[in-house]
Amino acid sequence: IVMTQSPLSLPVTPGEPASISCRSPESLLYVNGNDYLDWYLQKPGQSPQLLIYLGSNRASGVPDRFSGSGSGTDFTLNISRVEAEDVGVYYCMQALLTPYTFGQGTKLEIK
Amino acid sequence: QVQLVESGGGVVQPGGSLRLSCAASGFTFSSYDMHWVRKAPGEGPFWLALISYDDNNKYYRDSMKGRFTISRDNSLNMLYLQMNSLSPEDTAVYYCARGRYHSFSADRYSGVDVWGQGATVTVSS
Repeated sequence: IVMTQSPLSLPVTPGEPASISCRSPESLLYVNGNDYLDWYLQKPGQSPQLLIYLGSNRASGVPDRFSGSGSGTDFTLNISRVEAEDVGVYYCMQALLTPYTFGQGTKLEIK
Repeated sequence: QVQLVESGGGVVQPGGSLRLSCAASGFTFSSYDMHWVRKAPGEGPFWLALISYDDNNKYYRDSMKGRFTISRDNSLNMLYLQMNSLSPEDTAVYYCARGRYHSFSADRYSGVDVWGQGATVTVSS
């Protein structure tokens, strides 16, 4: 499953909102009602970290300014108020079928 | 605390082999599926393989089948990746990561929620 993200580059002023789109060519909705779509952030020099799982569930310790939405084939990661510590590359990943596949990444930078 | 620590990375010549290890601590290792994911410079993460919590099922990216082997030892809380016939295209940082949780009553997917710090593999002559 080839995941497509947009935009690929996202300059944002601190305090402003940001939004990243992720699309799948086939539905990620499983029979149990869950969408197997996660969001990850890789900060410079660090390992990837989980932000959102199953489309809209915030991972432990993730600030509530991060939220995920969408179902089926279209998903969105929203950051309500961007902070300087949010810089890095954001990836969506489908976990419905192996091989798990990631989007191309969206590089968020501070203006 | 919950932790994954990779080891075994290094420089290897094309055609060579390497075995990565991942030591798990702070959680019940035998209850979780485990993954290997790599990230090459300038590229996004690339999922390689998954092994089920009970070692009964293994899944690989097609392009890795026959060259890479995932394994685990639940008595030692260890995950492994045996890599053979390495090429320069395999140069990357390799991460082990924790996946789905399994219990007698249910299983639970909460994302790939714990990642190691990564082991650097460089394939070069």
